Amino acid sequence: EAQVTQNPRYLITVTGKKLTVTCSQNMNHEYMSWYRQDPGLGLRQIYYSMNVEVTDKGDVPEGYKVSRKEKRNFPLILESPSPNQTSLYFCASSFREGTQYFGPGTRLTVL
Amino acid sequence: AQSVAQPEDQVNVAEGNPLTVKCTYSVSGNPYLFWYVQYPNRGLQFLLKYITGDNLVKGSYGFEAEFNKSQTSFHLKKPSALVSDSALYFCAVNPRGYSTLTFGKGTMLLVSP
Repeated sequence: EAQVTQNPRYLITVTGKKLTVTCSQNMNHEYMSWYRQDPGLGLRQIYYSMNVEVTDKGDVPEGYKVSRKEKRNFPLILESPSPNQTSLYFCASSFREGTQYFGPGTRLTVL
Repeated sequence: AQSVAQPEDQVNVAEGNPLTVKCTYSVSGNPYLFWYVQYPNRGLQFLLKYITGDNLVKGSYGFEAEFNKSQTSFHLKKPSALVSDSALYFCAVNPRGYSTLTFGKGTMLLVSP
């Protein structure tokens, strides 16, 4: 089944404790992206990747890191999480200019 | 810079009535336009997209959207609403040649029995 998977689905952590949210797609898509969803703000892009080893900042990159060492994986790294990073995070993938397919989301709470 | 506006935070409609969820955009050129739906505690699901051609695009679950270039709008419509259509709807745009999506803030659709 073609899909985008994210892990974990739910995470509660404390300020400053490094964490990684994994994202994997099995559709051989070149493009992958991370978004955060906050009430009243819609989805805002954090980082995106056009292909392996090619990443770029989105609209809200501060406090986040990404890497794209393999085509299928695009992990999101929070080196020192803060409470303002409490949010619902979505990973998405697509062929270039194609329809983006979204993962199920990761709900992160930073205390 | 590109932007998407969904002017209504919430749309209420009775089951069986037609529904419209509004979207306007600001982007140069001829962009690709999308509608996604998010059910409670679920990810975003693709509904439909406009790339070129007929201004009326048909998508999943009986939804359709009308592209109007002069008004830079891409309103989502359905002739007869179902209670199960109640969800959060997002309009999104990306310029041709790019993959980055810009989303509107979302419109909550509530369909009453």
